[in-house]
Amino acid sequence: NAGVMQNPRHLVRRRGQEARLRCSPMKGHSHVYWYRQLPEEGLKFMVYLQKENIIDESGMPKERFSAEFPKEGPSILRIQQVVRGDSAAYFCASSLGTGTHSYEQYFGPGTRLTVT
Amino acid sequence: DAKTTQPPSMDCAEGRAANLPCNHSTISGNEYVYWYRQIHSQGPQYIIHGLKNNETNEMASLIITEDRKSSTLILPHATLRDTAVYYCIVRPTGAGSYQLTFGKGTKLSVIP
Repeated sequence: NAGVMQNPRHLVRRRGQEARLRCSPMKGHSHVYWYRQLPEEGLKFMVYLQKENIIDESGMPKERFSAEFPKEGPSILRIQQVVRGDSAAYFCASSLGTGTHSYEQYFGPGTRLTVT
Repeated sequence: DAKTTQPPSMDCAEGRAANLPCNHSTISGNEYVYWYRQIHSQGPQYIIHGLKNNETNEMASLIITEDRKSSTLILPHATLRDTAVYYCIVRPTGAGSYQLTFGKGTKLSVIP
């Protein structure tokens, strides 16, 4: 059973460009979460999605950031007009559900975004 | 959310047990304790979780004190591949229970 897949693993963008990060959850998982990790920091929650729905985006910056999880295809985290402060590792996680026994979130390898 | 406190770093000799402590003195009665680890440049890996009773799986054991104010993650026979940052997380209940809050964790170095 393949784990959570993310691509690209490394992404370099110039200031003002757009960054698109993709996440394919584990097979059978319909809950997706995005986290951001700044250098030397712990992961911070950004957004929680189910198929075609954003459940909680309270951790996501209000401007330039958006996320989607379409009916078909991977979840996408999109950052428009990137700035140097967006340089970070972005991790996607998925879970089978949100109940007690299906709560474990399994993380992908991350996408390391560098803004030059 | 209950806050956790962990030592910033620890060393452990290869083959010995690694005991990683975590304080969570403000934990609520129905909040779980979760442990994840992050090996350099990889995504976090789930290890174990518990509520009141001690738990064991193929990776580790989790010992939770009777008052639930602290816990210890035990790796019984540490190997070099266990070198990682270990995060102790108290999972909130109710709204937002899916939000895992990662602190700075404990950087465990397993020494040959």
